[in-house]
Amino acid sequence: AQSVTQLDSQVPVFEEAPVELRCNYSSSVSVYLFWYVQYPNQGLQLLLKYLSGSTLVKGINGFEAEFNKSQTSFHLRKPSVHISDTAEYFCAVSSLGSNQGGKLIFGQGTELSVKP
Amino acid sequence: DAGITQSPRYKITETGRQVTLMCHQTWSHSYMFWYRQDLGHGLRLIYYSAAADITDKGEVPDGYVVSRSKTENFPLTLESATRSQTSVYFCASSEPGTSLREQYFGPGTRLTVT
Repeated sequence: AQSVTQLDSQVPVFEEAPVELRCNYSSSVSVYLFWYVQYPNQGLQLLLKYLSGSTLVKGINGFEAEFNKSQTSFHLRKPSVHISDTAEYFCAVSSLGSNQGGKLIFGQGTELSVKP
Repeated sequence: DAGITQSPRYKITETGRQVTLMCHQTWSHSYMFWYRQDLGHGLRLIYYSAAADITDKGEVPDGYVVSRSKTENFPLTLESATRSQTSVYFCASSEPGTSLREQYFGPGTRLTVT
């Protein structure tokens, strides 16, 4: 079985400050890893994904994440946040080679609040 | 419209009533999914479908029924709605045979059961 833990339910930060949203996962098999963002009253949008290769993954809107297999982590970072980054962020995993269409297991979400 | 759409966007129903949430995608993706989103739980998978006429349970299937007679549609039915089914429901689709392995999400349906 797989599980995802997002270590912070809420992260308040000032505009132009750096931010890190933490994600740890548990799995007995190799996984693909994803970060999704949900703006208020909208669906989820993919920020970035790790499938293979370089462990540092760059996504949209200046976000990046680093896959650390030994620590089973996939933390999301941005060096300087904007007010428009205020949203809920979800970390998710799916099994490598899964025959279930990339079925996702989500973390509980982290609410990022950027203050002026 | 291209993409994935859900209807209705908002629904209020009474306990015990049957309600169907619709999901339509235009990409001909083989896989479709239904999730519910609740505070503190993130998104949890209700049902998914690998192709027309092939469906399987997810993490929280009790009280829900799905069907998929056409590739592009994946309706979710609450046969007898309960207050615990008050939630935001998201439909998603994917084509996992591609290198992207990305799920595309609809805008959601906010369901309130009174």
